[in-house]
Amino acid sequence: QKEVEQNSGPLSVPEGAIASLNCTYSDRGSQSFFWYRQYSGKSPELIMFIYSNGDKEDGRFTAQLNKASQYVSLLIRDSQPSDSATYLCAVNYGNQGGKLIFGQGTELSVKP
Amino acid sequence: DTGVSQDPRHKITKRGQNVTFRCDPISEHNRLYWYRQTLGQGPEFLTYFQNEAQLEKSRLLSDRFSAERPKGSFSTLEIQRTEQGDSAMYLCASSFGRDGEKLFFGSGTQLSVL
Repeated sequence: QKEVEQNSGPLSVPEGAIASLNCTYSDRGSQSFFWYRQYSGKSPELIMFIYSNGDKEDGRFTAQLNKASQYVSLLIRDSQPSDSATYLCAVNYGNQGGKLIFGQGTELSVKP
Repeated sequence: DTGVSQDPRHKITKRGQNVTFRCDPISEHNRLYWYRQTLGQGPEFLTYFQNEAQLEKSRLLSDRFSAERPKGSFSTLEIQRTEQGDSAMYLCASSFGRDGEKLFFGSGTQLSVL
């Protein structure tokens, strides 16, 4: 079983809709959870992080964490064509130091 | 430019040759990471340093790979006797102290092994 799993997509949503991106992880010891955005040909860029169960909102982005279900998600409200990118879920395993383990990424396409 | 800097941006080499990449982290960051990414996949952890100490190296990493961070500032990643399977984007990232997991990535070095 992969340590961090995401649907590779592509996920296609119309402009203005809510995009929902999901991620599951295998290690219950995980403590920190991150979402990175990666445009084609560019390097990953940190957009959200969450440490505690529940929701965390930042502008149009909401990260949701459910440690009991080992599930983390990212909601993008009012999706824009400029949000079209690959979204990478990353997990820091507390007992494995500072490294992040990444999922394979979900490609999001926002259609005008 | 105060971001993470990587050099070169692109490297084309022939199989069997050695290559070396350089990473300059954000100046106040004490942690430095190397990842490898292939098309359609997420970044794969290779190794990381806290200051000059190499704290972890992926067990999947061949002995042909070696990394250094001699003075706790810039880092180099060397691949000896390159193979076609080494072709990938090599990403460097840095982070600061207790905020260690918030990684800031450089633009990467794209390696092509012919």
